[in-house]
Formats: sequence, structure tokens, C-alpha cells
Amino acid sequence: AQSVTQPDIHITVSEGASLELRCNYSYGATPYLFWYVQSPGQGLQLLLKYFSGDTLVQGIKGFEAEFKRSQSSFNLRKPSVHWSDAAEYFCAVGALEYGNKLVFGAGTILRVKS
Amino acid sequence: DTAVSQTPKYLVTQMGNDKSIKCEQNLGHDTMYWYKQDSKKFLKIMFSYNNKELIINETVPNRFSPKSPDKAHLNLHINSLELGDSAVYFCASSQTGWGETQYFGPGTRLLVL
Repeated sequence: AQSVTQPDIHITVSEGASLELRCNYSYGATPYLFWYVQSPGQGLQLLLKYFSGDTLVQGIKGFEAEFKRSQSSFNLRKPSVHWSDAAEYFCAVGALEYGNKLVFGAGTILRVKS
Repeated sequence: DTAVSQTPKYLVTQMGNDKSIKCEQNLGHDTMYWYKQDSKKFLKIMFSYNNKELIINETVPNRFSPKSPDKAHLNLHINSLELGDSAVYFCASSQTGWGETQYFGPGTRLLVL
């Protein structure tokens, strides 16, 4: 069965520092992958997605993610974190044989300290 | 303009009651979804409809019944509410097709007392 693992439940970084949030997936087919962000009390907003092609994808708010098939990973990065980035981040994976069904990771809570 | 909207935003009710949550999207999408986010923030799909036809039905108690009067609306009716139904319920929509982005509503926070 498909699964998504976000190993870090919480991450704390200093404002201005770089960030990497990890996501590993287990799928039998070529996946498509998303990163969503959820601010407290809000819905989910799409940051970026990988469908095919260039394995380094750029998203909104200065985020990027790299798809590494050999490692079954899709880690999210940002070179310099802003206090407003504090939120919960969800990785999600789908695959052709599962239609439009997405499987989400458990989320990583990002705290930003000034 | 709100792309995916849900009503109500908050819902507090007693065990055993029946309640409905409504979802509407104005994106012209063909596919709509209901997700449940539990207290640990784990997000899991419940149902998906494509052009009013049920295409995904995860292992969800029969007390949950989705209804899609047209492709822009997907409502969720819950019978005989239980304490464990307390969660945030998110509606989402997408174009049909592989890899299409799902756009989420703001969520409905359901608390069963």
C-alpha cells in the first residue's frame, strides 16, 4: 500500500536560516507529489508540485523541492526562512493507478525563532 | 472570490444528532473530495466524486453519506454523530486527470459533545 513519511514532527529554525523538510514515499508506480502548507485554523494551500520533467521544482513563497527517485524522496527547501513561514507542512503523493487519490504525510510543524 | 467554500465553519453538536456540511466550488472542476483531519492533524481521504459519480469511497462508517447534487457541490451528511467524529473536515476539488492539483476549502471544525 502507498504511504508517505514525514520523519520530523517538529522543526525549529532561526529566522534567516535555511530549511529542509523531509518527505519519503512508498509507491509502486511513478508518483506525483505535492507540498501543502496549513496555517493555524486555515485550510491547505499548495506550495508546489512535481508531475514530471525537471526534478527540481519551484513553488510559491520561495520554496523549492527536489524529487529523487532513487531515494523515494521529495524534500522541501527554503534558503532563508521568514517568521511568516511558521505553519504545518504536508507532503502528499498520488499515482496513476490510484486515480486522483492523494495520500498525505502526518505533517511537520515548523517553528521560527527570531 | 472564494474558490472552495464550506459551511458551516464551526459545528458543535451532541452525540446522536444528524448534521450536514456543505461544500461548493466555483473553479469549474469535475472532481470533489472530502477529507477528515483528526486531532493529530492526520489528513485522510473519505470520498471523491467525479461529475456527481462516486469514485473513491474509503473505509468510512455508513453513517457518513456524501451527496453531490451537481458537480459544483458536494455535501457530507453524518448520522448518529459519535465523539470520534470530532475532527476538521476539508472539502477539495480538482480537474479530473492524473496529477491535477487539489484545491482545499477552509475546513469545518466539528465538535461532538
